[in-house]
Amino acid sequence: GAGVSQSPSNKVTEKGKDVELRCDPISGHTALYWYRQSLGQGLEFLIYFQGNSAPDKSGLPSDRFSAERTGGSVSTLTIQRTQQEDSAVYLCASSLGPSDNYYEQYFGPGTRLTVT
Amino acid sequence: KNQVEQSPQSLIILEGKNCTLQCNYTVSPFSNLRWYKQDTGRGPVSLTIMTFSENTKSNGRYTATLDADTKQSSLHITASQLSDSASYICVVRNTGTASKLTFGTGTRLQVTL
Repeated sequence: GAGVSQSPSNKVTEKGKDVELRCDPISGHTALYWYRQSLGQGLEFLIYFQGNSAPDKSGLPSDRFSAERTGGSVSTLTIQRTQQEDSAVYLCASSLGPSDNYYEQYFGPGTRLTVT
Repeated sequence: KNQVEQSPQSLIILEGKNCTLQCNYTVSPFSNLRWYKQDTGRGPVSLTIMTFSENTKSNGRYTATLDADTKQSSLHITASQLSDSASYICVVRNTGTASKLTFGTGTRLQVTL
């Protein structure tokens, strides 16, 4: 079956512009996660959705970052007034059940964001 | 602070050789530990998951070990293949938080002819 998909695969934007990143999780997966992977760094947790609600958004680095999930499926991560330090690969993952169980997270290919 | 440290940072080996990657963690209380393989330009893919009571788990040519007392894990790759070239990431889950995992920075493995 189809895995987690993300779009766009690459995004180059000018500093100060807003960007939207999209994640389509595996069908039936109730949990969805966003991570950021900077060069030479480990994955950094951003936000976790269970269904349409976000019980943990503590990883969002600033109020320029927001995310939503509709219909228990597609999620969008929005970065407003982008800064150069936002340049990174943004990874989305989904899992079959709540994150406090042992359900494996399946990752998408990521969106490489470059802010010039 | 919960941390996961991996070594070496990078490794080059000849095809057919074995290698062992290390992961030390300070995450507490511990729930489970996963090793992921991340090919360039792709998302991570889970290789193994280990819980507190498990010492060894194999997945084909990959064998993971866990010593929960010393908070160390290793990933051993046997008879390496060119397709094993990737980053290997150690990820530890904390029982105290529902959604957060602590990721290591990975070991970049290159298998050459």
